[in-house]
Amino acid sequence: DGGITQSPKYLFRKEGQNVTLSCEQNLNHDAMYWYRQDPGQGLRLIYYSQIVNDFQKGDIAEGYSVSREKKESFPLTVTSAQKNPTAFYLCASSIEPGREQYFGPGTRLTVT
Amino acid sequence: KQEVTQIPAALSVPEGENLVLNCSFTDSAIYNLQWFRQDPGKGLTSLLLIQSSQREQTSGRLNASLDKSSGRSTLYIAASQPGDSATYLCAVRTPQGAQKLVFGQGTRLTINP
Repeated sequence: DGGITQSPKYLFRKEGQNVTLSCEQNLNHDAMYWYRQDPGQGLRLIYYSQIVNDFQKGDIAEGYSVSREKKESFPLTVTSAQKNPTAFYLCASSIEPGREQYFGPGTRLTVT
Repeated sequence: KQEVTQIPAALSVPEGENLVLNCSFTDSAIYNLQWFRQDPGKGLTSLLLIQSSQREQTSGRLNASLDKSSGRSTLYIAASQPGDSATYLCAVRTPQGAQKLVFGQGTRLTINP
């Protein structure tokens, strides 16, 4: 059963702590993406990766970091430098850059 | 810079009606346009993707049209059902950033039984 999994579904952290969100896909897709969604707003791109061991900043990369050591995995770390980390985070993948994107179920991060 | 707008932000209609959701974009030089559905607290489900060379795409009760010259797309939903209640988002991919989607804010649709 192919798809994109994100874990956990809900995540709570104290201010000042780094936190890593997981994204795994078994679709054999080359490209993967991280988006952030705030209430009543569209999605904004944080980072994307076109291929293993490569990634580029999106529109709102400050305070975030990623790695792409395996084709299947694209974890996102929200660092303490991110000023407003509370949001809904969505991971997506596509068979190659520019093709149709498929989304995971999302992780809701709350930082207090 | 490409900007995508969806109006209205919310729409409520009785079950059985046909309806149209609107999406406009500022730069007509797009690679493709994608419509998504999002249920509360969930991820996005791709509904339709229209390439820049196409005028429309159909899937079941859904029909999406694209008019690049005017910077507009519409999503037509026929014979609406309560299960269609969700937020609908459109997103465009521009040639300059072919791997990046620019999203609208979405239209929250409620179908009343």
